[in-house]
Amino acid sequence: DAKTTQPPSMDCAEGRAANLPCNHSTISGNEYVYWYRQIHSQGPQYIIHGLKNNETNEMASLIITEDRKSSTLILPHATLRDTAVYYCIVKTDGSARQLTFGSGTQLTVLP
Amino acid sequence: DGGITQSPKYLFRKEGQNVTLSCEQNLNHDAMYWYRQDPGQGLRLIYYSQIVNDFQKGDIAEGYSVSREKKESFPLTVTSAQKNPTAFYLCASSIPGRGNQPQHFGDGTRLSIL
Repeated sequence: DAKTTQPPSMDCAEGRAANLPCNHSTISGNEYVYWYRQIHSQGPQYIIHGLKNNETNEMASLIITEDRKSSTLILPHATLRDTAVYYCIVKTDGSARQLTFGSGTQLTVLP
Repeated sequence: DGGITQSPKYLFRKEGQNVTLSCEQNLNHDAMYWYRQDPGQGLRLIYYSQIVNDFQKGDIAEGYSVSREKKESFPLTVTSAQKNPTAFYLCASSIPGRGNQPQHFGDGTRLSIL
């Protein structure tokens, strides 16, 4: 599975959009991009995933560049409850074997 | 609501004692997983099971054992052979063989040594 690179931390003002970047320059054609988040002392929460098209659900939007070497998770109106560590994971099959969580991005939403 | 239930939330183990962590899911998922998370680190796979009565070792299986007698349940036993068991344990489930289906996680069990 391809390796991902994320900034270690980011701040965002409450009510503003949070844009979390992820670099996955070695991604291959059959690998999906998944985003999870983990709030302290809780299990990881699945947010969204995509292959090459942009995706949107009730939680977030995922923008994948045309060359698929990077992506951005967008939380359109961040709240204090969105403060968490956000993980970008690249994998061929989201259900098979294990997910490899890197160190992620600590997003802090400020009041 | 469908989901994954882990119990207990907190568990304490005495030296030389085996303890069992419970994981139950009502999502009708065939695959289940156990991960370990140490402070400030990512998740490491202990065991996984793609189907009832079958399971495979992950990257750090030594000192742990599992069983998968029912689709809904995948208990993890931390044996006395695991010399550093203090960690946050996470159970997950998914639909295998469905291409891009994500794993879903429980809220974890925090194990400490007395």
